[in-house]
Amino acid sequence: AQSVTQLDSQVPVFEEAPVELRCNYSSSVSVYLFWYVQYPNQGLQLLLKYLSGSTLVKGINGFEAEFNKSQTSFHLRKPSVHISDTAEYFCAVITNAGKSTFGDGTTLTVKP
Amino acid sequence: DTGVSQNPRHKITKRGQNVTFRCDPISEHNRLYWYRQTLGQGPEFLTYFQNEAQLEKSRLLSDRFSAERPKGSFSTLEIQRTEQGDSAMYLCASTVRDRDTDTQYFGPGTRLTVL
Repeated sequence: AQSVTQLDSQVPVFEEAPVELRCNYSSSVSVYLFWYVQYPNQGLQLLLKYLSGSTLVKGINGFEAEFNKSQTSFHLRKPSVHISDTAEYFCAVITNAGKSTFGDGTTLTVKP
Repeated sequence: DTGVSQNPRHKITKRGQNVTFRCDPISEHNRLYWYRQTLGQGPEFLTYFQNEAQLEKSRLLSDRFSAERPKGSFSTLEIQRTEQGDSAMYLCASTVRDRDTDTQYFGPGTRLTVL
């Protein structure tokens, strides 16, 4: 069994400030980690993924995430946010058998 | 636009009616997933197909729900005798195998409202 916990349901920040969205997971088997973004009334868009190799993963729109195996975390970061980054962000894990589990999401609100 | 399409985008129905949703995946992707998403929650896994074979179904998928993927192309999700608790966004994801896991590309979803 696996679970994903997104530690903050809402994160308000000012434009051009840095942001970190936190994600912890647990699993009895090896998993792969993903971050998705969902804009209002749209489907989920892949931001980045960690499959293997370097623990620092870079994605689209200037986002990056760091996989920490000992802390079972996969936090998402951006050094300077824009108004257009306002959206819902989801962390997910998937096993190699294809079983997927998503977190409940973090609402990022970027204020001018 | 991920290349995955879902129809209809919105469906309003009365309790007790049957509804069917369609997902057209990216053509070269052989795995297809269905999820349900309610307000304030992440997507919940319902079922997935590899080609035309349905490989796994969640316990969330009661006997009122059925999914098919004839010929391994498009997929349909049918809900019979809808209940108000079925109101949600239904998402489809088309996947490509990347090393040992699936990278999922989501459609825009079908929002179901049961009155």
